[in-house]
Amino acid sequence: QVQLVQSGAEVKKAGTSVKVSCKASGGTFSNYVINWVRQAPGQGLEWMGWIIPLFGTVNYAQKFQGRVTVTADEPTSSAFMELSSLRSDDTALYFCCSGYVGEGPDSWGQGTLVTVSS
Amino acid sequence: QSVLTQPPSASGTPDQRVTISCSGSSSNIETNYLYWYQQLPGTAPKLLIYKNDQRPSGVPDRFSGSKSGTSASLAISGLRSEDEADYYCAAWDDGLRGWVFGGGTKLTVL
Repeated sequence: QVQLVQSGAEVKKAGTSVKVSCKASGGTFSNYVINWVRQAPGQGLEWMGWIIPLFGTVNYAQKFQGRVTVTADEPTSSAFMELSSLRSDDTALYFCCSGYVGEGPDSWGQGTLVTVSS
Repeated sequence: QSVLTQPPSASGTPDQRVTISCSGSSSNIETNYLYWYQQLPGTAPKLLIYKNDQRPSGVPDRFSGSKSGTSASLAISGLRSEDEADYYCAAWDDGLRGWVFGGGTKLTVL
């Protein structure tokens, strides 16, 4: 099972962008789909998008279309999620999670807290 | 508003059996596998049940999952205090081409 380690907490101003990283170890990065899921304070889980690093294929939730970009770098077994035009309601814990293609996520990063201030 | 519907809360006493339901539609639960995640306070979600009723290694057999049509359920028998957590169901949605989650159920062990 792959282990995922995410970058540290961020504090951003409204209107700017944030980029969160997720580094995988202990597995073959190319075999996985990397998903990004966020959790606002006291709220549930919300899927944002996924990438298949082997092919570079991505898909985003409609809610985030135009604001989110998910990328991956196979040589470093890392995935990235950039969210632009930040608003206060983007304040949340952002998780990367991985699974085999066609299967649900079975490994999760520790989460990255992104705080957006006005 | 979550795509999958779960009760916001559930509770039980030690050793009791509790179930948590998850309702969806033909584009997600009915045609795809159902997954359950446990989230302890302040931690990342942990896979509890995969492919409807399969337990990853290390998950006690007190946890079981089932699915029928557009609904699924998680059962926890022999309830223990350490089971107090938030539980989420998830499934692939064919229309959205992405994962949909339930709103989560907060389980309290009385």
